[in-house]
Amino acid sequence: GDSVTQMEGPVTLSEEAFLTINCTYTATGYPSLFWYVQYPGEGLQLLLKATKADDKGSNKGFEATYRKETTSFHLEKGSVQVSDSAVYFCALRLDGTSGSRLTFGEGTQLTVNP
Amino acid sequence: EPEVTQTPSHQVTQMGQEVILRCVPISNHLYFYWYRQILGQKVEFLVSFYNNEISEKSEIFDDQFSVERPDGSNFTLKIRSTKLEDSAMYFCASSEMGTLNSPLHFGNGTRLTVT
Repeated sequence: GDSVTQMEGPVTLSEEAFLTINCTYTATGYPSLFWYVQYPGEGLQLLLKATKADDKGSNKGFEATYRKETTSFHLEKGSVQVSDSAVYFCALRLDGTSGSRLTFGEGTQLTVNP
Repeated sequence: EPEVTQTPSHQVTQMGQEVILRCVPISNHLYFYWYRQILGQKVEFLVSFYNNEISEKSEIFDDQFSVERPDGSNFTLKIRSTKLEDSAMYFCASSEMGTLNSPLHFGNGTRLTVT
């Protein structure tokens, strides 16, 4: 079946450090890929997405590139802030299904210290 | 910005009791979803709902679960006879359409604790 695997957490960084959270997937079709973020006490929010190979999604300084050859969608940010502390979820969604489901990774807890 | 609202934020119930989790999706959205996250595990899809019927459900969504849109605004998840392993965070979501270009908007979740 379809699945998403994220790097194990938690991740702790100092402010202005470089962030990478790895994400790889397996899918029976050609998925769209997403990163969701969950701030403390809040729901899941869409951070960025990419719908085809080599697309780069970006938002709030975060980027991820859809790599079909390595089935990856790693999340990066050049300089993290304390306000980026949250749980980050990688997810995929397949086309062609009405109300198609999201398949999530395990989530990675990021803590950024001042 | 419109948002998905879930109530209550935390529900405690005894094993074997029925529980109803409530959600108010975004008003012009047509597709509705429930997901759950058992502590320390992945966020898992339960069910999607469109046009007053279930459009897709996972293997987790067995006969003890049901969903309903009782009026024009609420979307509920009922667990008929709760088990200890139903303890989880339950997320409601909605989308305007069911296509990939229509993102899911999630609520803040209801933490269900079964004792």
